[in-house]
Amino acid sequence: KNQVEQSPQSLIILEGKNCTLQCNYTVSPFSNLRWYKQDTGRGPVSLTIMTFSENTKSNGRYTATLDADTKQSSLHITASQLSDSASYICVVRREGKFQFGAGTQVVVTP
Amino acid sequence: GAVVSQHPSWVICKSGTSVKIECRSLDFQATTMFWYRQFPKQSLMLMATSNEGSKATYEQGVEKDKFLINHASLTLSTLTVTSAHPEDSSFYICSASVAVGTDTQYFGPGTRLTVL
Repeated sequence: KNQVEQSPQSLIILEGKNCTLQCNYTVSPFSNLRWYKQDTGRGPVSLTIMTFSENTKSNGRYTATLDADTKQSSLHITASQLSDSASYICVVRREGKFQFGAGTQVVVTP
Repeated sequence: GAVVSQHPSWVICKSGTSVKIECRSLDFQATTMFWYRQFPKQSLMLMATSNEGSKATYEQGVEKDKFLINHASLTLSTLTVTSAHPEDSSFYICSASVAVGTDTQYFGPGTRLTVL
């Protein structure tokens, strides 16, 4: 069983709307949690990184939250743009190992 | 920012041949490089971790004789898929870290391998 579960698997949203992606993990303890954006056919690009003591981190229109007690993280995309269409991957690091979620495929339509 | 390149970006080869993929850190020295494989609609799967000048550490289930990794310098790591078969067709991504144990890894753009 994957130690990092993401939901939903995919979602379609209208341009300009907001959306929230979820990441539940069982990795414990962990060093940090990252959200990556991966465009089709490209390598992942880091959006945010949070340690267990941080609750929120923003990067432009992307805001990540972390609840270490419930082992949940979310990535909120505000005012989505067509360029936000990509796969968003949650990655938890523990003792030098990186545990990857399966990703959420986001499609932004005009 | 740190840039990692991969070459080639895509390759098509015949079954039974070997293919070499290069991963380069362009503006920093990478003590550690990681190789991942990604199948369609799935997440990245770590294949191996390589530290400059030492043998790569392979993940369970990854055949080290089939996927040869060489990390000869602080800016270059290569992955050679030997005797490739159609089931080896995948998206191969490398990443590089500036120091052992660091939290940050920079990903390359990936290499699409298709084995006919």
